[in-house]
Parts: sequence; structure tokens; C-alpha cells
Amino acid sequence: DQQVKQNSPSLSVQEGRISILNCDYTNSMFDYFLWYKKYPAEGPTFLISISSIKDKNEDGRFTVFLNKSAKHLSLHIVPSQPGDSAVYFCAASANDMRFGAGTRLTVKP
Amino acid sequence: DTGVSQDPRHKITKRGQNVTFRCDPISEHNRLYWYRQTLGQGPEFLTYFQNEAQLEKSRLLSDRFSAERPKGSFSTLEIQRTEQGDSAMYLCASSFRATNEKLFFGSGTQLSVL
Repeated sequence: DQQVKQNSPSLSVQEGRISILNCDYTNSMFDYFLWYKKYPAEGPTFLISISSIKDKNEDGRFTVFLNKSAKHLSLHIVPSQPGDSAVYFCAASANDMRFGAGTRLTVKP
Repeated sequence: DTGVSQDPRHKITKRGQNVTFRCDPISEHNRLYWYRQTLGQGPEFLTYFQNEAQLEKSRLLSDRFSAERPKGSFSTLEIQRTEQGDSAMYLCASSFRATNEKLFFGSGTQLSVL
């Protein structure tokens, strides 16, 4: 059951531009949302999160937006850097945490 | 804080053999999770523990899969009678609080079933 969906398997942007990664969910019981970043041969590492009572959370170059009515969240990275190239997973939590399939971001110099 | 540790990093086994993986969570974390990840997919939830209690195991993939956390510290995931379809990365994660808490992941155990 794909309760968390990332419909774009890949995204390529130029260094310095904005990267926008999208995520949709179906379970209205989810109340906490996270983005994880994963490099090859490593486990996912936490990037940023947002509670369902908020619609925006910002941490440096990373901002997560939550639209509860649309069951949609997005991650904005501004400005994008080559070191941001990785696979990004969206996750949503109720009693346990479910992940999307990931989006591979490539930031070109 | 030494992070979540998983052992082994890689495991190659023949079909039909049993395998066991170990996870050592961050010491003060009381929740421990097991996930499986296959190529091109996100982590797939398998089971989790609150201290030594296994609170959810219905997502384990079959009765060949079992997990334990006997003293509320490290955990083991066992797969009996492995099949080629079990080949995947098995990830362990831990967290401190029960809800609304980020998970800290280990580097995973890559299982290859020949």
C-alpha cells in the first residue's frame, strides 16, 4: 500500500537554482512529515521535518511546505549545490513511519 | 553517540539458508525499527519495538521473518529458508520518543540470496 508517493523518480537542476521535490500522501492520520537524504551505501539521514499543525518549516537552504487539504508536501532547496546530489525520501508518520520511493536529485555545476 | 550500528554490512547466502542480522541502536533510544529497501524503492516498514515489546509485526513479509529485542537494547532480524526475493537492503533505525520523532538509520545490511 503506497500511502506516500513521490511521482518524480529523478530531478536535475543547475547549481544555484531552486530544487523542488514533491510528495503526496493518502492517509489523513499522518501527523508528522519528514524528508530524508540518502547517499549510496549509507542509510537515510534526516534533513527536515514538519508537524501537521504547521504549513511551513525552514532550516537554512531547506524549506518544507505542507498543504494538508491537498495531502501534499514539498521540499525546496535554495540555492542548490552539487553536494545536494542524492536520493531524497519523503516520509510520513502516524504510529510508524512510511516512506516514498524517493527522488534522485542531481545538481549540475 | 556512536550512531546506529548494523552487522554485517553485507551477507551472501544460498537459497534455503537462514540468516540473522544484528542492530545496535543509539543507547538512549527506546524505539527500534526494521525496514527493507529494494532497488528504486523507499524503505518498507517491517516491524518496530518500544523497549523490548514488539508493537507491530503484521507488516513482516512472511512467517519466515522474525525479530527480537530481548533486553530492550540490540535487536536481531532473522530470515528463515531464504529466497531470492529476499535479496534487499535491511535497514535498522532508532528513535528516542514514541511519536513525531525523527529516525536515525544505520548503514544497513545488504543481503544477496543466490
